[in-house]
This record gives sequence, structure tokens and C-alpha cells, in this order.
Amino acid sequence: EVQLVESGGGLVQPGGSLRLSCAASGFTFSSYWMHWVRQAPGKGLVWLTRIKTDGSTIDDADSVKGRFTVSRDNAKNTLYLQMNSLRDEDTAVYYCARPAVAGTNWYFDLWGRGTLVTVSS
Amino acid sequence: DTVMTQSPDFLAVSLGERATINCRSSQSILYSSNNKYYLAWYQQKPGQPPKLLIYWASTRESGVPDRFSGSGSGTDFTLTISSLQAEDVAVYYCQQYYYSPHTFGQGTKLEIK
Repeated sequence: EVQLVESGGGLVQPGGSLRLSCAASGFTFSSYWMHWVRQAPGKGLVWLTRIKTDGSTIDDADSVKGRFTVSRDNAKNTLYLQMNSLRDEDTAVYYCARPAVAGTNWYFDLWGRGTLVTVSS
Repeated sequence: DTVMTQSPDFLAVSLGERATINCRSSQSILYSSNNKYYLAWYQQKPGQPPKLLIYWASTRESGVPDRFSGSGSGTDFTLTISSLQAEDVAVYYCQQYYYSPHTFGQGTKLEIK
């Protein structure tokens, strides 16, 4: 089955760190750019970052530059998001998403179910 | 960054009636080489991830009912549901994928009147 499964969310104190994972299955993970999108409680979707097929190119939204780092392990079919210096406003459900067409950054046809990160003291 | 502005924020429509959601991009998202608008529409129901409805501004994703349609040109785009069904209650988002960051609109919450 083609799917993405996020994990690693939880409760963390402000200033803390967390690493999210996104396990991919059912498709050739190494052929796709991958993206992270988040959604604060009751709010809209916010695109965060993307990483090229081989990990050589990364683009980040300004809101997470310098604090969040995306990476991937194509041998393990897994995408990661290392989150440091977490703030209250980083509380959200974090989704990984895959573009519909390999090698592109076009529309997303595959999303995970998300993992909740709560930043609170 | 390319700002995507949706209107309205909230929409209530009677069952069987037409629902129209608008999306405006702050700059052109037309790629002249292929004459395509890099605009997608997603539907999100509570507790679920977004679901792709429309891409290239007007191409319906496989399996999406034909009551959903997308249109637009320039910097103005529209998602239309021709005859609202109960299962269409959701929040709808537009997204541009021409530029990084791949910005989303703020969302339009659609309910039954």
C-alpha cells in the first residue's frame, strides 16, 4: 500500500528539541522530493520545507529557517524533521507530503495522517 | 513569498445549491513554457489530512466527483461545487506550487445552510 506514516510527536518544553520521522512505503521514495506541512490547532496549512530526491537541495520557510532541518535516508525510505529551539507557536500537527509526480514539486497527492507536537511547559 | 488569499473565510450553502470559493495569488503562477497555472485545491475534513481535489487549476484528481470543478486565469481562481452534498462539508485550501515556499490560502470553511 502506498502510504506515509509520521511518528515522533509529543509534548516538549519550550526551547527543547524533537525529531519527527515519516516512513514511506509502496512507492520509490528516492524518486520523489518530499515536503513537511504543519497545521496549528484550528488553523490553516503552512508549508515548512522540502528536500530533493538525493537530499542535495533543501528549501525552508522563513518561519523555521535555522531551527528546523529536513533530511532523508533513502535506504530506510524515511524522511525526518529535526526541530530545535521549539516555541509555543510550533504546536501543531505535522504532515509529510509527497508530490504526485516523481522528480517534481507539483501538487501533493499523498499525505500522512500527521503527528502532533505540543510545545508547553 | 507568494500570498494566497481565499474568499470568503466561511461559506454556508444549502444542499443541492452551488458553492463558490475564490483564491487570489499575489503574483502570477502561470508557467509560460507549458501554459499551466501551478494551482491546486485541497479538501480537509476534521481529523483527516488534506485531500487533493484539483491541480493545474482545473484538472480534477482521479476519483473526485465531477460536481467539483476549478477555473481561473491571471491571478484569480475559483473552486466550484455545482450541487452541494452533505459530505462536502470541510475546509478547502488553495495552494500554489510554482514558487518556494509553496504557500497555501488561509482556508474556507464550508457548511450546510
